[in-house]
Amino acid sequence: QSALTQPASVSGSPGQSITISCSGTSSDVGNYNLVSWFRQDPGKAPKLLIYAVTTRPSGVSNRFSGSKSGNTASLTISGLQAEDEADYYCSSYANSNVLFGGGTKLTVL
Amino acid sequence: QVQLQESGPGLVKPSDTLSLTCTISGGSIGHYYWSWIRQPPGKGLEWIGYIYYSGMTKNNPSLKSRLTFSLDTSRNQFSLTLASVTAEDTAVYYCGRAGSGLSDIDYWGQGVQVTVSS
Repeated sequence: QSALTQPASVSGSPGQSITISCSGTSSDVGNYNLVSWFRQDPGKAPKLLIYAVTTRPSGVSNRFSGSKSGNTASLTISGLQAEDEADYYCSSYANSNVLFGGGTKLTVL
Repeated sequence: QVQLQESGPGLVKPSDTLSLTCTISGGSIGHYYWSWIRQPPGKGLEWIGYIYYSGMTKNNPSLKSRLTFSLDTSRNQFSLTLASVTAEDTAVYYCGRAGSGLSDIDYWGQGVQVTVSS
C-alpha cells in the first residue's frame, strides 16, 4: 500500500484561505469516510484536527474544515493566522490498515 | 484527561529487538485501538499497527513478520516489540489512542527517539 499524496508545501498570507489536498485511491480515501487530518509542530506529537472527513474534535477551531470528493480529501484553513504555520498530515483507513500522507508544510507569508 | 507516555531504550544495536511500552493515565483501556506510529528523521508519519482492547492486533504489512503487540490491562499499558532492527528503524516512535475509524488518533504520547546503531 502506498502513502497518500499531499503537496510538499503550501503558503498563504494572513487572513486568506488555503486548501491542502490528500490524494488516495478507491481502496482507501475513495472507499471510506474515514479520513483524518493532523497538525504537527516541530519536535511535537501530531494533534488531531479533523476525523471522519469533516468532524472537528472538541476544542479545534472552526477555521479548520475537511471535505472529500472521489479519491481526494481536502483540509481548508480559513482566516489564516501566523500560528497556523506547521506541518499537516492526512490519514485514511484502508482495509484494516491506516495510511498517512507524506505531509505538507504550511508557510504563512 | 487521557495521557500517554512511551518508554524504552533510546539506542538499539542492529539485529537486536526493540521493545517499547506505552503507559496510559487518566483513562482506561476501554474500547479503543491502541496504536503505534513512527517518524524517521526529517520524514513523514508511518503507521505501525494497533492492539485492540480484546487483544486483536493488526500490523503494517511492511513490518508484519517482525512485530509483536501486547496489552497489560492491569497496568494500563501496551507494548511493541520489533525484531531484527536495522538503521531504517531509527525514528521517533509514538503511541496513540484511536477510535473505530482507526485513523482518528485523538491522544498521542510525546514520542521517544529510538536510534539503531552499533
